[in-house]
Amino acid sequence: AQSVTQLDSHVSVSEGTPVLLRCNYSSSYSPSLFWYVQHPNKGLQLLLKYTSAATLVKGINGFEAEFKKSETSFHLTKPSAHMSDAAEYFCVVSGISSNTGKLIFGQGTTLQVKP
Amino acid sequence: DAGITQSPRHKVTETGTPVTLRCHQTENHRYMYWYRQDPGHGLRLIHYSYGVKDTDKGEVSDGYSVSRSKTEDFLLTLESATSSQTSVYFCAIRGGLAGVNEQFFGPGTRLTVL
Repeated sequence: AQSVTQLDSHVSVSEGTPVLLRCNYSSSYSPSLFWYVQHPNKGLQLLLKYTSAATLVKGINGFEAEFKKSETSFHLTKPSAHMSDAAEYFCVVSGISSNTGKLIFGQGTTLQVKP
Repeated sequence: DAGITQSPRHKVTETGTPVTLRCHQTENHRYMYWYRQDPGHGLRLIHYSYGVKDTDKGEVSDGYSVSRSKTEDFLLTLESATSSQTSVYFCAIRGGLAGVNEQFFGPGTRLTVL
């Protein structure tokens, strides 16, 4: 079965410092992986996606993620945090039956950015 | 936001009453999904649809039913609401190229069952 684990439920950084949100996945075949962001009381927005092309994926707002098959990881990074980055972040893997488009969500990581 | 709207945006109801949530899309997407979001659980799939009158269960479908009589509307019904169904409900459509499963989400409906 496919699954995704976000290793930290809460991450706190200072503005201007790097961000690292960690995600490990389990999949029996080459997965599609996504990061979504949810600002307070808002819907979910797609940050970036990996679909077996380049292993380093660039997303919106300066975020990027690297697919590492040997480590089954898809960590999200940003060189310099901004106050507006404070939100909840979800790592997501596509389901076993890709025809249905089902997604499996991690539990989420709350990013706090301190001034 | 991929032309997805949800109604109502907020609802408070009492245990045992029926509730219907509506998801409307304007871009003729085939696949539509209903999720619920609860703290510590991320989003969990309730039901999904792969075409008009074609639906299937997700991982947390007990107590929920869905209907899709036309492409643009996907309805989620709680036949007899319970307090455990207090949650935020999101509708999504599947977008992107064939074989890529990214989804785009509506703004959500906050449901409180007293």
